[in-house]
Amino acid sequence: RKEVEQDPGPFNVPEGATVAFNCTYSNSASQSFFWYRQDCRKEPKLLMSVYSSGNEDGRFTAQLNRASQYISLLIRDSKLSDSATYLCVVTYGSSNTGKLIFGQGTTLQVKP
Amino acid sequence: DTEVTQTPKHLVMGMTNKKSLKCEQHMGHRAMYWYKQKAKKPPELMFVYSYEKLSINESVPSRFSPECPNSSLLNLHLHALQPEDSALYLCASSRLRGETQYFGPGTRLLVL
Repeated sequence: RKEVEQDPGPFNVPEGATVAFNCTYSNSASQSFFWYRQDCRKEPKLLMSVYSSGNEDGRFTAQLNRASQYISLLIRDSKLSDSATYLCVVTYGSSNTGKLIFGQGTTLQVKP
Repeated sequence: DTEVTQTPKHLVMGMTNKKSLKCEQHMGHRAMYWYKQKAKKPPELMFVYSYEKLSINESVPSRFSPECPNSSLLNLHLHALQPEDSALYLCASSRLRGETQYFGPGTRLLVL
């Protein structure tokens, strides 16, 4: 079983749609959680950190459920510029501190 | 400013060549990382440096040799690479090991 699992998609949605991505992680000792966005042939860029209390940044809302080991990202009112691959990322503590564990990424294509 | 720079942007090398990739950040970050990313796959961690000392080596072949000459610079020396080493090489940094990582634009490497 992969340490971080995501539905690879692709998700093809029209502009203005709401889309949700899910991610599960296997190690209950995971400490920090992030969503990164990666455009084609570019580097990953931090989209947002994810907290148990949930956090929102404009059209983006991230949620963490530690009991279910589940992370989500909701994008409202999708824009063409949201088209990218979204990477769910988890870190562990202790001797592995600093190692990002990436999911396979979920590809989003927003169409006019 | 969360800028990490990498040079060169592109590199083509033969299997007998020796080359180096460079990464620089001026954010005062004390942790720096090298990742390798193949097409349609997530980044894979290679090395972690913390306070200029190597703290994680993810069993990377010795043909890849990292070096951290000071707190702002991270090099990756390449020697006798194989065609399967062709990939995007990403550098990242964080304030301290285990904190949020910021990626450079990467070096796209082709080994012939």
